[in-house]
Amino acid sequence: SQQGEEDPQALSIQEGENATMNCSYKTSINNLQWYRQNSGRGLVHLILIRSNEREKHSGRLRVTLDTSKKSSSLLITASRAADTASYFCATDGSGNYGQNFVFGPGTRLSVLP
Amino acid sequence: DARVTQTPRHKVTEMGQEVTMRCQPILGHNTVFWYRQTMMQGLELLAYFRNRAPLDDSGMPKDRFSAEMPDATLATLKIQPSEPRDSAVYFCASGTFGTGNTIYFGEGSWLTVV
Repeated sequence: SQQGEEDPQALSIQEGENATMNCSYKTSINNLQWYRQNSGRGLVHLILIRSNEREKHSGRLRVTLDTSKKSSSLLITASRAADTASYFCATDGSGNYGQNFVFGPGTRLSVLP
Repeated sequence: DARVTQTPRHKVTEMGQEVTMRCQPILGHNTVFWYRQTMMQGLELLAYFRNRAPLDDSGMPKDRFSAEMPDATLATLKIQPSEPRDSAVYFCASGTFGTGNTIYFGEGSWLTVV
């Protein structure tokens, strides 16, 4: 079964608006990461947040993590057409650290010019 | 820039044929993953290796799929015989696990089985 589940499945916004995507997971984690995939390409790492962190920033990206709710959110501020892509969260399960990376189904973001 | 290299990038083959996909992980990375991506199933973890040893291949159909790491610079995923339902993009990714390391993806092998 998939560990991460992104929500919404698809999101369409205007350039300049903020985009928020959510991720829920089921079991305890060591860290959670967000990846981006442009059409026809491989996944590219965006940001990692550890289980003992609550918020992290990287440029126009802001990630939050609520381990009590087993959820994370990715906020892209001042979106651009070039942000159009699919976004995935990936969890790294605790216990046997780094055993595997399980991805959710992704959120398809469309930023309209 | 160090990157994960996958070959072939695109492959069209007939049902029943053997398909071999190759991956060169980033030098120094000790963990290699194989994923399959389809519209219906999304990204599925097929198998992964640590220090060339297979740790988990439970996501892989055993009867026709096999994954190996003949050496630290090469990982292979083989399908024999291939079927139309195997049509997908196959991604290889590599990483080094310590505290919070990320994994790096190749550009994928686009497989079409007709």
